[in-house]
Amino acid sequence: DTGVSQDPRHKITKRGQNVTFRCDPISEHNRLYWYRQTLGQGPEFLTYFQNEAQLEKSRLLSDRFSAERPKGSFSTLEIQRTEQGDSAMYLCASSPGTGNLDTEAFFGQGTRLTVV
Amino acid sequence: AQTVTQSQPEMSVQEAETVTLSCTYDTSESNYYLFWYKQPPSRQMILVIRQEAYKQQNATENRFSVNFQKAAKSFSLKISDSQLGDTAMYFCAFMKPNFIGGSQGNLIFGKGTKLSVKP
Repeated sequence: DTGVSQDPRHKITKRGQNVTFRCDPISEHNRLYWYRQTLGQGPEFLTYFQNEAQLEKSRLLSDRFSAERPKGSFSTLEIQRTEQGDSAMYLCASSPGTGNLDTEAFFGQGTRLTVV
Repeated sequence: AQTVTQSQPEMSVQEAETVTLSCTYDTSESNYYLFWYKQPPSRQMILVIRQEAYKQQNATENRFSVNFQKAAKSFSLKISDSQLGDTAMYFCAFMKPNFIGGSQGNLIFGKGTKLSVKP
């Protein structure tokens, strides 16, 4: 296990279609985060999991966005009825999630979504 | 709400020279963490350096060091002996402390500074 893995790396979809992205965190990392990064901006936090529990989801951009981490290992981010404004890089990160000093997040290479 | 501001969209430096990237932030918290992340072209973001707000000593990691001014809410990154491999986007980020089961833990990023190291 060499790091956080995201699949696919690139996705082109037509407006109105649903898309799902997968993230495999570093083994034994309990925390998993999803961010969105648009051109010229820093990553924007969307949601995160502690094991299988989704502890923060109020930042998800709309009810078209949902995320799961069913067994506390990999996670999926789904966008329903995609819009052109959803075009962005979607980043996943993980961290050990233990102790009060769990401050380093390890990022994947991201999934670049283009909605046409 | 916390905000992070990076006022330099782009910077360039000659190889082997020193460059300083600026970052300011706004928060009412007394304890927090600050980070600089590096995002090379088409590669994943990696942590460069981390500073804990309750520590007055500035963090250093080899050629990378920070100037943390808590009262001024300033957190600049100095890169010494710049190398071609330092070419990347650099993001300043803020985080509240993590607590087990709590909701803090997400990073708040600035817009980034694109650094080009020229041979």
